[in-house]
Amino acid sequence: AQSVSQHNHHVILSEAASLELGCNYSYGGTVNLFWYVQYPGQHLQLLLKYFSGDPLVKGIKGFEAEFIKSKFSFNLRKPSVQWSDTAEYFCAVNARNSGYALNFGKGTSLLVTP
Amino acid sequence: GAVVSQHPSWVICKSGTSVKIECRSLDFQATTMFWYRQFPKQSLMLMATSNEGSKATYEQGVEKDKFLINHASLTLSTLTVTSAHPEDSSFYICSGLGQNTGELFFGEGSRLTVL
Repeated sequence: AQSVSQHNHHVILSEAASLELGCNYSYGGTVNLFWYVQYPGQHLQLLLKYFSGDPLVKGIKGFEAEFIKSKFSFNLRKPSVQWSDTAEYFCAVNARNSGYALNFGKGTSLLVTP
Repeated sequence: GAVVSQHPSWVICKSGTSVKIECRSLDFQATTMFWYRQFPKQSLMLMATSNEGSKATYEQGVEKDKFLINHASLTLSTLTVTSAHPEDSSFYICSGLGQNTGELFFGEGSRLTVL
């Protein structure tokens, strides 16, 4: 069955610390990969996406993610987090050529302390 | 990015009543909209896909007679929870597909509480 796993449910970091959030997927074919962020009280926003090409993708707000096909992973990274990065982060996948509906991971709640 | 607005943001209703949630794409036309449901500490679960002018496609396990979806225009899709029960209490999120970018834009979500 298709699934998306996010390993860290809750992460607490101090400002300026580096961040890496894990995401693994289980899909049989070619996939498109996404990271979304949801700030408190706001709607989901796209951080970055990978369709093809360079497996290291850069998104907004200094985030990047690396697609490692052999590991079925798409981990999100940021070298130095800020208090304003406190939010819920969702990894999402869809199977290419099967429509645009996304399959989401359970999310990771990130708290950045001053 | 494009804006999708949901209304209401919060709704509380009595068991047995019906509730309608609206999802509007404010600055783009969404031929396809998706409805998701999110339980506390769970991921977003796709409920149905709606295409403008046609019947919605429901995911396995989602009752189409309970969750009525209408997508009558390119900027509006509605989800009606009929004869709501406490177990229908959840966070409902819609998203619209941008025609040119293929990107999904999400609404703010609607929290339904059924007493």
